[in-house]
Amino acid sequence: EPEVTQTPSHQVTQMGQEVILRCVPISNHLYFYWYRQILGQKVEFLVSFYNNEISEKSEIFDDQFSVERPDGSNFTLKIRSTKLEDSAMYFCASRVYSGSIYEQYFGPGTRLTVT
Amino acid sequence: GQQLNQSPQSMFIQEGEDVSMNCTSSSIFNTWLWYKQDPGEGPVLLIALYKAGELTSNGRLTAQFGITRKDSFLNISASIPSDVGIYFCAGGRYGGSQGNLIFGKGTKLSVKP
Repeated sequence: EPEVTQTPSHQVTQMGQEVILRCVPISNHLYFYWYRQILGQKVEFLVSFYNNEISEKSEIFDDQFSVERPDGSNFTLKIRSTKLEDSAMYFCASRVYSGSIYEQYFGPGTRLTVT
Repeated sequence: GQQLNQSPQSMFIQEGEDVSMNCTSSSIFNTWLWYKQDPGEGPVLLIALYKAGELTSNGRLTAQFGITRKDSFLNISASIPSDVGIYFCAGGRYGGSQGNLIFGKGTKLSVKP
């Protein structure tokens, strides 16, 4: 069964450094998402992406964040200058173009630790 | 913003017992989904609901989309140890957008063998 994959599984970085989190969505999916989950809390929407542009973003997704689909398979989340409060699990999700717009499939996540 | 109130926060049950959890909101959603999350992993989709009043089953799981569009419940029958995990409800926002989901805070289920 096709899966969303994410790399790395765990990233440790120092405050102020740039990080890039990578995702490979399911191959026939056309909508892509990033969500964040701070330890012990609920999953929060960050951004949605379709047709090579951002469709919607939350208040969390400020100008320190950016997303990109650099090629036909990868979808990346960049945090330009990490802060301690960026420490969280970051999940990528994707969905097909047709059918329910809400039936999203999540990757296993990248645990980001900012020290 | 839109909030989902999920209850209970946690449950400790005996293997074989039935489980019920629910989500409510002051806002309307046009889709409700239920996810399960195991430690250190991403949420796994269990059931998706698209119509008010809809009742859908997936094995031992049954979920319903409330008639008012503001609530949903998930039942698990005859629980087994592998049901342990955190269950999240998620609502798809009414009125368009590209389908970003709003999640509840989760129900942590523990099952005693």
